[in-house]
Amino acid sequence: GEDVEQSLFLSVREGDSSVINCTYTDSSSTYLYWYKQEPGAGLQLLTYIFSNMDMKQDQRLTVLLNKKDKHLSLRIADTQTGDSAIYFCAEIGAGNMLTFGGGTRLMVKP
Amino acid sequence: DAMVIQNPRYQVTQFGKPVTLSCSQTLNHNVMYWYQQKSSQAPKLLFHYYDKDFNNEADTPDNFQSRRPNTSFCFLDIRSPGLGDAAMYLCATSREGGQNPYEQYFGPGTRLTVT
Repeated sequence: GEDVEQSLFLSVREGDSSVINCTYTDSSSTYLYWYKQEPGAGLQLLTYIFSNMDMKQDQRLTVLLNKKDKHLSLRIADTQTGDSAIYFCAEIGAGNMLTFGGGTRLMVKP
Repeated sequence: DAMVIQNPRYQVTQFGKPVTLSCSQTLNHNVMYWYQQKSSQAPKLLFHYYDKDFNNEADTPDNFQSRRPNTSFCFLDIRSPGLGDAAMYLCATSREGGQNPYEQYFGPGTRLTVT
């Protein structure tokens, strides 16, 4: 079955880079996503990458995809306190439904 | 701005008392989803609609029902809420076709408390 895994917690200092990692099992995934969830709010799509790409950059965000290892990462440059949130990676799997990882809580210290 | 709206944002109901959560969208998307998210967990898909076609996830309890009277609105009915149904309920939409047909747009969620 499909499985998406993330580390639970990451703490960084303001101004540093954050790297959030994700592994998935479904080799047929076509799109992979990063969502951000602030406390008490819904999920906000940050960025996505198509499976035939290795990297995608969007302002402070860089997504790296290693399809061979089924590893996805999200790098946030110059991390700010407003970046503190839970970050979910997700893949499109069987039935074209999203499968989410458990989320990584990012804490940014001033 | 086009968006996904959920009402109410916070809902308190009593154990066993039916409750309905609502979702509306101005995106004119043909697919709508309901997710349940418990504290510090990933969202869990309950069901989704492709247009009017209802699709239930295999492990969604019978206690949960849904209605989609038109493209813009979708309702989640919990017939007899238990304490274990306390959670955040997220509505999302997507549009078939297009550059990224699986991109989902989420509403802000309704936090349900069961007393």
